[in-house]
Amino acid sequence: GAGVSQSPSNKVTEKGKDVELRCDPISGHTALYWYRQRLGQGLEFLIYFQGNSAPDKSGLPSDRFSAERTGESVSTLTIQRTQQEDSAVYLCASSLAPGLQYEQYFGPGTRLTVT
Amino acid sequence: ELKVEQNPLFLSMQEGKNYTIYCNYSTTSDRLYWYRQDPGKSLESLFVLLSNGAVKQEGRLMASLDTKARLSTLHITAAVHDLSATYFCAVLSGGSNYKLTFGKGTLLTVNP
Repeated sequence: GAGVSQSPSNKVTEKGKDVELRCDPISGHTALYWYRQRLGQGLEFLIYFQGNSAPDKSGLPSDRFSAERTGESVSTLTIQRTQQEDSAVYLCASSLAPGLQYEQYFGPGTRLTVT
Repeated sequence: ELKVEQNPLFLSMQEGKNYTIYCNYSTTSDRLYWYRQDPGKSLESLFVLLSNGAVKQEGRLMASLDTKARLSTLHITAAVHDLSATYFCAVLSGGSNYKLTFGKGTLLTVNP
């Protein structure tokens, strides 16, 4: 079956512009997670959705970052007024339900470059 | 704050050799994951270790967990080129049942 998909796969944007990154989770997965992977670093947790609510936004680095989710489907991560330090790979994962007894399945990521 | 440290960060091996990647974490956790990432690809789950003394093996890879030492190891036996990838360990953050804290990853290159 289809896995987690993300689009675009690559995004180059100018400093100060807004970007939207999209994640399509596996059908039926109620939990969705966004992570950021900077060059040479491990993944950093950004936000977690259960359905369309976000119980944990603690990893969002600033108020320029926001995310939403439509029902138990697509999620969009928006970065406003991008800065060069936002350059990273943004990974999305989904799991059948919250709780790590349910495996997280990762998408291929969106590589964001801010020039 | 939970910290997860992997070493080495870069590992170049010859085919047929053995080696171990180490993952140390700073606070108590009862769940540790190992993932593999190929360039431009998703993370692939390799192992989930749930308890002290847990050992899991798949092919040439074996993972173990010592919760008292807060240490996990990923042992590679008789490496082959196909094992070349980046390997991450991740630990469940205390008080959370979903938030993972990742190490920086170990880039493994297996040379013929």
